This record gives sequence, structure tokens and C-alpha cells, in this order.
Amino acid sequence: DIQMTQSPSSLSASVGDRVTIACRASQSISSYLNWYQQKPGKAPKLLIYGASSLQSGVPSRFSGSGSGTDFTLTISSLQPEDFATYYCQQSHSTPRTFGQGTKVEIK
Amino acid sequence: EVQLVESGGGLVQPGGSLRLSCSASGFTFRNYAMHWVRQAPGKGLESVSVISSNGGSTYYADSVKGRFTIARDNSKNTLFLQMSSLRTEDTAVYYCVKDGYSSSWYYFEYWGQGTLVIVSS
Repeated sequence: DIQMTQSPSSLSASVGDRVTIACRASQSISSYLNWYQQKPGKAPKLLIYGASSLQSGVPSRFSGSGSGTDFTLTISSLQPEDFATYYCQQSHSTPRTFGQGTKVEIK
Repeated sequence: EVQLVESGGGLVQPGGSLRLSCSASGFTFRNYAMHWVRQAPGKGLESVSVISSNGGSTYYADSVKGRFTIARDNSKNTLFLQMSSLRTEDTAVYYCVKDGYSSSWYYFEYWGQGTLVIVSS
């Protein structure tokens, strides 16, 4: 199975900050990388697929980049509703494994 | 509007069985692979099982292989997960997930609200 590792596990940031979350795959996955946002008590929500394609309805302050083994999710200007946990997921092969998550908290 | 509604969760003793169901609407169910994903309390996401659109192909995580069975009824737009020999470590919220794709990219497009399974004596 492909292992996905996110960093950091958690971070504290203020409204308006630029936030970057990293995700590394244990082997090359081309651009088969998705990002999800999960708020407490809710199901995850797809933000980005194919490493950099924004899902319909997702604000443009979210962006993704990378290919191969190293990927990044960037929130250009953090908003109050963005405080949540973010997960990366590879869709290169089954099982579609997730990173352990990055919790974005209010500073 | 796509809707996925899970049911069947609850409290069960170790070694017991439970059958989860997921009723799907708002899309052509028979055209899409479907997944079960679980999340233990305070933990991350784990892909448990996937079934192809026609039910002919399935996959199970090692942690549930031989104990869980995924199935679907395309005539009733329903996905199932039969869980047996349950262990305390199977305690989790179980999500029903619709596969999605765009060009060559695959992703978990829609999620149900989840159903809680608690395995405890």
C-alpha cells in the first residue's frame, strides 16, 4: 500500500494568514492526489483533485500543487470557516490511502 | 441532489455482527463504484472496502479482510456492508462514499453523514 505522510500534524494560524500543508507519498503517484476538508462532526468534503484541480464550489483561496511524491495544499488567506482538519489522499492505486490529517487551529 | 443515507449502526458486542446499509439517490447508482470509509473516534480516515459499479470486483483493507463483505443492489440503489467477528478496534463512524471521476482523476466525490458503530461489551 502507498503510505501518505502529512506535515505538520497541526498548526495555529490567524485569519488572513497564508497556510501551507505538505503531503508526501511513499512512491510516485503522478498527480493522483486529492485534498479533503473535515469539520468536527461532519463528513469530509472534497476540495482539490488531480493535485491542482479545484472542485466546483470551492473558494479560489484554496490551491494545490505538486507531482510525483511531494504535494502542497495552500490557503492564500485563511478565513474563519477554514478552521478544520485537512487530509490528502492518493488515488493512484487501491487502497486509496489517506494522510493522517493536519488540524488547522485558531491562533 | 446527490444523497447518501447510511443506517444500521449501533452498539454490538465483540464477536457480533452488524449490517450497514446506504440508500443512494440523485445519481445513476449503477454507473459508479462505491466505497465504505471509516473513522475511529478522534482518528483519521481509513478506506475499508470498495465495490465496482456492477458488483463484480471488490477490495478490502487488510484490517477487515475475511470479516467484512461489501455488496450492492443496483435495482434498489443500495450499498451494504456486512460486518462479522467485530472487534473493539472496529468502533468508528462508517461513511458511504460515491466515487467520482473527471478525465483520468478519481476521487471521493460525495459522502454520507456516517453511521456510528460501537463494539463493546
